Amino acid sequence: GAGVSQSPSNKVTEKGKDVELRCDPISGHTALYWYRQSLGQGLEFLIYFQGNSAPDKSGLPSDRFSAERTGGSVSTLTIQRTQQEDSAVYLCASSPGLTTGEQYFGPGTRLTVT
Amino acid sequence: SQKIEQNSEALNIQEGKTATLTCNYTNYSPAYLQWYRQDPGRGPVFLLLIRENEKEKRKERLKVTFDTTLKQSLFHITASQPADSATYLCALDGFSSGGSYIPTFGRGTSLIVHP
Repeated sequence: GAGVSQSPSNKVTEKGKDVELRCDPISGHTALYWYRQSLGQGLEFLIYFQGNSAPDKSGLPSDRFSAERTGGSVSTLTIQRTQQEDSAVYLCASSPGLTTGEQYFGPGTRLTVT
Repeated sequence: SQKIEQNSEALNIQEGKTATLTCNYTNYSPAYLQWYRQDPGRGPVFLLLIRENEKEKRKERLKVTFDTTLKQSLFHITASQPADSATYLCALDGFSSGGSYIPTFGRGTSLIVHP
């Protein structure tokens, strides 16, 4: 079956512009996660959604970052007024439930802010 | 604060040998621990999950141990092959002191298997 998909695969934007990153989770998965991975760094947790519950935004690095999940499926991560330090690979993952453990990752979106 | 440590130095081994990777953690009482594989330019791929009440788990050439007293997990790949070369990430699922769910990954250890 289809895995987690993300779009775009690459995004180059100018400093100060807004960007939207999209994630399509595996059908039926109720939990969805966003991470950020900078070159040579580990995965930095950003936000997760579980079903229709309010998302846990504790990992978002600033109020320029926001995310939504429509209809319990597709999610969009929005970064406003991008900064150069936002350059990273943004990874999305989904899992059958919050406590089932294993996560299925998408290929990521490589964001470059010039 | 919760911390996961994986050896930052790459592990170089010869084909056919057993690779052993280490994951140590502090300030954690995880319900389970996971290992993932990540190839360059790709997202991590789930390999194995071991629960706190399990000492060892196996899957084909992979074996994971989990010592909650030592706060350590060991990940073994037996009869290693060049195709096993990748970065291996350890991950813990836990909760912050404030009760927020925080999935936390280590930085990973790069494994290089030489033919």
